[in-house]
Amino acid sequence: GAVVSQHPSRVICKSGTSVKIECRSLDFQATTMFWYRQFPKQSLMLMATSNEGSKATYEQGVEKDKFLINHASLTLSTLTVTSAHPEDSSFYICSARVVSGGARTGELFFGEGSRLTVL
Amino acid sequence: AQKITQTQPGMFVQEKEAVTLDCTYDTSDPSYGLFWYKQPSSGEMIFLIYQGSYDQQNATEGRYSLNFQKARKSANLVISASQLGDSAMYFCAMREGWGNTPLVFGKGTRLSVIA
Repeated sequence: GAVVSQHPSRVICKSGTSVKIECRSLDFQATTMFWYRQFPKQSLMLMATSNEGSKATYEQGVEKDKFLINHASLTLSTLTVTSAHPEDSSFYICSARVVSGGARTGELFFGEGSRLTVL
Repeated sequence: AQKITQTQPGMFVQEKEAVTLDCTYDTSDPSYGLFWYKQPSSGEMIFLIYQGSYDQQNATEGRYSLNFQKARKSANLVISASQLGDSAMYFCAMREGWGNTPLVFGKGTRLSVIA
């Protein structure tokens, strides 16, 4: 099936630094990707919708200047956590929908997730 | 109001028995899709089963079946012949409409299969 790859899978950084997480659709094009955040023992909460070639749409309560999203191509979206603090420690997971994959069009696939720990 | 409600924070089931995980949803959109995902401790989201709002029959995928009761707005997941490897978090999710809309997730149910 279609594959969405996230990198890095784990990252530990110092407070105040920025961290970039990549989400790639490996064998299909994705004009839209979704970024979720999951705190321990909680559900996935939508942070933002990433649209190729345009600005991301952020959910209420998510700081767009802190969580920078760039969707520069049909296969890559990046999430940058700027000036990270310990409260940003979480599991970040992206998903992408197949937009031009024949029989797979419309299917949604998730990346493996990225676990961020801010010291 | 919560769009997806999973009322069971945790469930236990004996190996080889069947178990039902509850999910109710709330939407006014006539077109929607309902999903179940399994999340093991590794964190990956594993797609299990999908039910479209216009589907006439309940979805089935191997040992997974979805008990879709549209009038009651429920989409319970039934796992038959539970295995130890089924122990994980299970999330019910919904997508409203047919455009590029995101999934909205319930709070999840932690299933523990006992030998």
